[in-house]
Amino acid sequence: AQSVTQLGSHVSVSEGALVLLRCNYSSSVPPYLFWYVQYPNQGLQLLLKYTTGATLVKGINGFEAEFKKSETSFHLTKPSAHMSDAAEYFCAVTQAAGNKLTFGGGTRVLVKP
Amino acid sequence: EPEVTQTPSHQVTQMGQEVILRCVPISNHLYFYWYRQILGQKVEFLVSFYNNEISEKSEIFDDQFSVERPDGSNFTLKIRSTKLEDSAMYFCASILAGPPAGELFFGEGSRLTVL
Repeated sequence: AQSVTQLGSHVSVSEGALVLLRCNYSSSVPPYLFWYVQYPNQGLQLLLKYTTGATLVKGINGFEAEFKKSETSFHLTKPSAHMSDAAEYFCAVTQAAGNKLTFGGGTRVLVKP
Repeated sequence: EPEVTQTPSHQVTQMGQEVILRCVPISNHLYFYWYRQILGQKVEFLVSFYNNEISEKSEIFDDQFSVERPDGSNFTLKIRSTKLEDSAMYFCASILAGPPAGELFFGEGSRLTVL
């Protein structure tokens, strides 16, 4: 079984400030972890993923995430928020046996000027 | 850049009516999926499809739902008799290869409103 918990359904940050979105997962086998972004009225776009290897993963638009097995976490960060980062962000997990993604509840990011 | 396309972008239907949502996955992809997102809730897996058959389905995907790949390019989701609670955004997705996890490409979604 697998599940994902995203802490905070809404996050508000100032432009230029650090963005930190929290994701914790549970998985009975080593997980593959993803962050997706959804802009208004659009589909889901992959930001980054962790499968194996380096635990610090860099993605598009300056985002990165670190897989911490001991904490069962995969938090997403960006050092400096931009207005264009306003969107909803979803953490997702899958197991090696298949590609069915289990999504977290999402975190909506608001960027204040 | 190749993309997954979905039609219609928005459909309004009466309760009890049949609805077909269409998807054109990326042409060389082999695995296909439907997910749904009820307004304000998380994205939920419905069904996966590989080699012309369902490979996995969730408990949401009951007898009212069916999927088909009728012509080698389209991938359809049919809801036989819609209910109010079927109102949601439905996302189609495809991936080139199976495990381990590659990148799942999502379409922009079809919003279904059941009245």
